[in-house]
Amino acid sequence: AQSVSQHNHHVILSEAASLELGCNYSYGGTVNLFWYVQYPGQHLQLLLKYFSGDPLVKGIKGFEAEFIKSKFSFNLRKPSVQWSDTAEYFCAVKADTGRRALTFGSGTRLQVQP
Amino acid sequence: DARVTQTPRHKVTEMGQEVTMRCQPILGHNTVFWYRQTMMQGLELLAYFRNRAPLDDSGMPKDRFSAEMPDATLATLKIQPSEPRDSAVYFCASGLVLGTTTEQFFGPGTRLTVL
Repeated sequence: AQSVSQHNHHVILSEAASLELGCNYSYGGTVNLFWYVQYPGQHLQLLLKYFSGDPLVKGIKGFEAEFIKSKFSFNLRKPSVQWSDTAEYFCAVKADTGRRALTFGSGTRLQVQP
Repeated sequence: DARVTQTPRHKVTEMGQEVTMRCQPILGHNTVFWYRQTMMQGLELLAYFRNRAPLDDSGMPKDRFSAEMPDATLATLKIQPSEPRDSAVYFCASGLVLGTTTEQFFGPGTRLTVL
């Protein structure tokens, strides 16, 4: 079964700092990859997704992620974070096993200090 | 602006009581998922349906949990009897399967507290 690892559990940054959150998955076949964001007290919202094509994916709010198949990675990046980016970020993978559900990582809590 | 709706948003109940959570998927979506989020376990899949048929409920404790889709506009997750360890946020998500891709849209969740 596939699994997803997010190595950074809690990240604290100052505003304008650059962000990179790691995500690695374990599955040798074709995958769909997602990053979701959960603001305090709110539900999960899709930031960006990768299905196929250009491995550099741009999402909402200035976020982007790069799929590196050889490294089984899908790291999330943002060049300059804002206080409003304070949230929890979840990486998720759907493998081509026919199982439609997502497997989520444990999440990374990002705290941006003004 | 289509979105997944869930009711109730919050539920506090006593151990042993029955709890029913409801989800209205986005109109036209053919797949519905139930996830549970806790501090200890993170996000876990409980069950999912495609075209109202249950495809996978292996993540759900069968003795007390049940999930159904009585029609295309309503999915329910029931816990009977509830236990304190069931306290969590339960998210419903719906999606439209297109070939091998599925994008899921999440509802606001039901925050359940079992005393």
